[in-house]
Amino acid sequence: KAGVTQTPRYLIKTRGQQVTLSCSPISGHRSVSWYQQTPGQGLQFLFEYFSETQRNKGNFPGRFSGRQFSNSRSEMNVSTLELGDSALYLCASKVAGGPLTGELFFGEGSRLTVL
Amino acid sequence: LAKTTQPISMDSYEGQEVNITCSHNNIATNDYITWYQQFPSQGPRFIIQGYKTKVTNEVASLFIPADRKSSTLSLPRVSLSDTAVYYCLVVVGASGNTGKLIFGQGTTLQVKP
Repeated sequence: KAGVTQTPRYLIKTRGQQVTLSCSPISGHRSVSWYQQTPGQGLQFLFEYFSETQRNKGNFPGRFSGRQFSNSRSEMNVSTLELGDSALYLCASKVAGGPLTGELFFGEGSRLTVL
Repeated sequence: LAKTTQPISMDSYEGQEVNITCSHNNIATNDYITWYQQFPSQGPRFIIQGYKTKVTNEVASLFIPADRKSSTLSLPRVSLSDTAVYYCLVVVGASGNTGKLIFGQGTTLQVKP
C-alpha cells in the first residue's frame, strides 16, 4: 500500500507570493490533516479535512487555507508569504472515525523556503 | 491555556530502558494520548496510543495516570536505531472532532553504544 505522498518536496518562494502544496493520502483514508514544523515552534496543527469539509482548525491566520477533493486528496495554500512561513509542511492521513488523535500516517513533507 | 511539556533531550546507552514523560493539562476528556517518533528528513511515525492506565505493544509501553495530566513513554532495551525525536500528541479544549491537536516540543533521544 502506498504511503502518504506530498508534492513538491522542496520549493523556494519570495515574500508576497503564494504557494500550493499537495497531499495524496493512503488509499481508503478519508481524513487529511496538515501541520507546520519549524525549529522554533515545533509541530503545529493547521487544519483537518474530512469528506471535503474542514472539520478542525488550529491557530493560524486566514492566509493559510486548504481544501479536500472527493478522492480525499488535499491541498493547502499559503497566500502573501512571509519569511516566517519558511517551514516543513507535513500532511497526515487517517482512517475516519476513532479518536481525534487516532493513528496518523505522515508524509515526508514539503520544505518551503521564503526569501 | 493548554500546554504540553517534555524534556528537550535525553541520553541513554544501548540496552537500557528509556522513559520519556509528557506533562499535559486541560486535555480533552474523551480523546487519546499518542506518541510519535521522528527521524531526520522524515515525517513522524506512530508509536503507541492510550487513554488510561497502561498500554503495551511490540515496541513500547505507555503509562497514563488516572488524572491524565501526564503520560510516560517507555522504550525497553533501546538500540542505536532508536535515536530520534519523540513527540506526545494530545487534544485540548473540546469533545468530539472539534478539539485542537497539540504536540509536545519533542524530546531528542540520543542512544550511545
